[in-house]
Amino acid sequence: GENVEQHPSTLSVQEGDSAVIKCTYSDSASNYFPWYKQELGKRPQLIIDIRSNVGEKKDQRIAVTLNKTAKHFSLHITETQPEDSAVYFCAATNYGQNFVFGPGTRLSVLP
Amino acid sequence: GAVVSQHPSRVICKSGTSVKIECRSLDFQATTMFWYRQFPKQSLMLMATSNEGSKATYEQGVEKDKFLINHASLTLSTLTVTSAHPEDSSFYICSANNRRTSGYNEQFFGPGTRLTVL
Repeated sequence: GENVEQHPSTLSVQEGDSAVIKCTYSDSASNYFPWYKQELGKRPQLIIDIRSNVGEKKDQRIAVTLNKTAKHFSLHITETQPEDSAVYFCAATNYGQNFVFGPGTRLSVLP
Repeated sequence: GAVVSQHPSRVICKSGTSVKIECRSLDFQATTMFWYRQFPKQSLMLMATSNEGSKATYEQGVEKDKFLINHASLTLSTLTVTSAHPEDSSFYICSANNRRTSGYNEQFFGPGTRLTVL
């Protein structure tokens, strides 16, 4: 089955700097890769996703890149703000049938 | 986006009692719902996949007689923790698949239920 790894497990950046979180997956059949943001005590919220027919997708300060050959995808957050502090989860799935989540990255944006 | 509700948001119960948690898709029909358990500072652990009109599929290590799942309609799935014990205390989150016109399913999460067993 699918296995998703995520690095780093914790990340601290200064406000205004960029943050990058990387995930790798094992199943070449996976074709949909969403990213979720979870604030303390709240539900995970979808923030951006990418499908395997696209190499990059951007939404304002957030971007995701996908390398199918290497089986990894990354979340990029630019101009970080304190409200970006949260736990971020990546996931891999085949058309959204069964989502396999990474272990999460705790991002702290320091003022 | 699609909305998923979960009830109750918080429950405290005595050891040995059973607790039912409801998960509803409010503005879409979900043939598949998922139940996760999340320990503090850890990732989402898939417990089972709930399919409307059929038996749930449980992940390895999850006791199906302990965690009863019913998906009676396209908008409602329930998780019942039977004879709850303190080790069952956790944050339980459901999610529902919303099929898009593209053919991909997007997964939307409920707000979670914090269960504390005394």
